[in-house]
Amino acid sequence: LAKTTQPISMDSYEGQEVNITCSHNNIATNDYITWYQQFPSQGPRFIIQGYKTKVTNEVASLFIPADRKSSTLSLPRVSLSDTAVYYCLVAPGADKLIFGTGTRLQVFP
Amino acid sequence: SAVISQKPSRDICQRGTSLTIQCQVDSQVTMMFWYRQQPGQSLTLIATANQGSEATYESGFVIDKFPISRPNLTFSTLTVSNMSPEDSSIYLCSVPGQGASGELFFGEGSRLTVL
Repeated sequence: LAKTTQPISMDSYEGQEVNITCSHNNIATNDYITWYQQFPSQGPRFIIQGYKTKVTNEVASLFIPADRKSSTLSLPRVSLSDTAVYYCLVAPGADKLIFGTGTRLQVFP
Repeated sequence: SAVISQKPSRDICQRGTSLTIQCQVDSQVTMMFWYRQQPGQSLTLIATANQGSEATYESGFVIDKFPISRPNLTFSTLTVSNMSPEDSSIYLCSVPGQGASGELFFGEGSRLTVL
């Protein structure tokens, strides 16, 4: 399974757009890119998934360049409640997902 | 989506004892996964539990330490045996979504503290 690299932590302020980039140089042809969010004392929660180009839902956007060796999770206008750890995963399915270190996002007022 | 309930939500245990964590899902699923999350760390997959067969353990985890049961398609248990303080972690049960792309749904976790 492809290994991912993310920044350990990021800080932002309310109302700003936050972009978290994940590197996955060894991504396989059948791998999807999936992002999860985890709040303290809770299990991770699925945010968004994509294969290529751009995906947008009510929570976030996911940008994937043509070579798929990286991806960027974009959170528009963050609020304090977006303070969490964000995990980037690449895998062909849900079997044996490997979670990396994640990015700890802290949003300040 | 799947709703996953775990029991207990938290417990404090004595060294050398064993504790069984239960995971109940509101729908039938073929695969269930057990993860461990040590304090301040990421998630580590312990094993995959398939109904009707032995669980498949990841490197570093063995059946004697983490026996798993999967009696039906909606339920599984993970036992943490002969606990030591190093076993203090959050244990999470998860199941895949119905779609082909592999979304995982997680329970709230069971936080174990071993004294």
